[in-house]
Amino acid sequence: KAGVTQTPRYLIKTRGQQVTLSCSPISGHRSVSWYQQTPGQGLQFLFEYFSETQRNKGNFPGRFSGRQFSNSRSEMNVSTLELGDSALYLCASSTPGLAHKEQFFGPGTRLTVL
Amino acid sequence: AQSVTQLDSQVPVFEEAPVELRCNYSSSVSVYLFWYVQYPNQGLQLLLKYLSGSTLVESINGFEAEFNKSQTSFHLRKPSVHISDTAEYFCAVSVTGNQFYFGTGTSLTVIP
Repeated sequence: KAGVTQTPRYLIKTRGQQVTLSCSPISGHRSVSWYQQTPGQGLQFLFEYFSETQRNKGNFPGRFSGRQFSNSRSEMNVSTLELGDSALYLCASSTPGLAHKEQFFGPGTRLTVL
Repeated sequence: AQSVTQLDSQVPVFEEAPVELRCNYSSSVSVYLFWYVQYPNQGLQLLLKYLSGSTLVESINGFEAEFNKSQTSFHLRKPSVHISDTAEYFCAVSVTGNQFYFGTGTSLTVIP
């Protein structure tokens, strides 16, 4: 099985712009979670989608949004970019069924905001 | 909300020496515990997990972790580290649903 893929791998944007990141989960996985990783902060949970519905949401401003398509692929969007949004954005997918299941991570998208 | 504390942000250790990476969590209910490893420029990979049963869990590359409910800890240990173990290690907790709570990570550097 192919792993979780994220595109693009690297992005450079300027303040005020918006950006869309994409995540394709492992085939058969219907849950997709997004995390922001910054030095010293670790991974901070953004949101989780399951069957096209946002099921959980972290403590991020409304500039961060996401969606999931019927094929389980997910996108996240950040509008009005700020310098502090520079981070590695990780996507993780998991199988339906029991909770507490393993999450499989993609390689991430490195976003740099200038 | 859950919280996960990784007490050491950086751990340097000589090759073939033992290492312990500490992880404590806050929860009054049953939790499920994970250790993930992240190599440079890569995503996270599951190292080991505790769901139930034996409190000592092992990975295929020699790491082990012990779930201690009374101390709310899940420390990661390896008796002899290799250069290839140099990476960032994250402890994570899951309680319900699919939401994971991660620690801030411990950077393990193995010195030749």
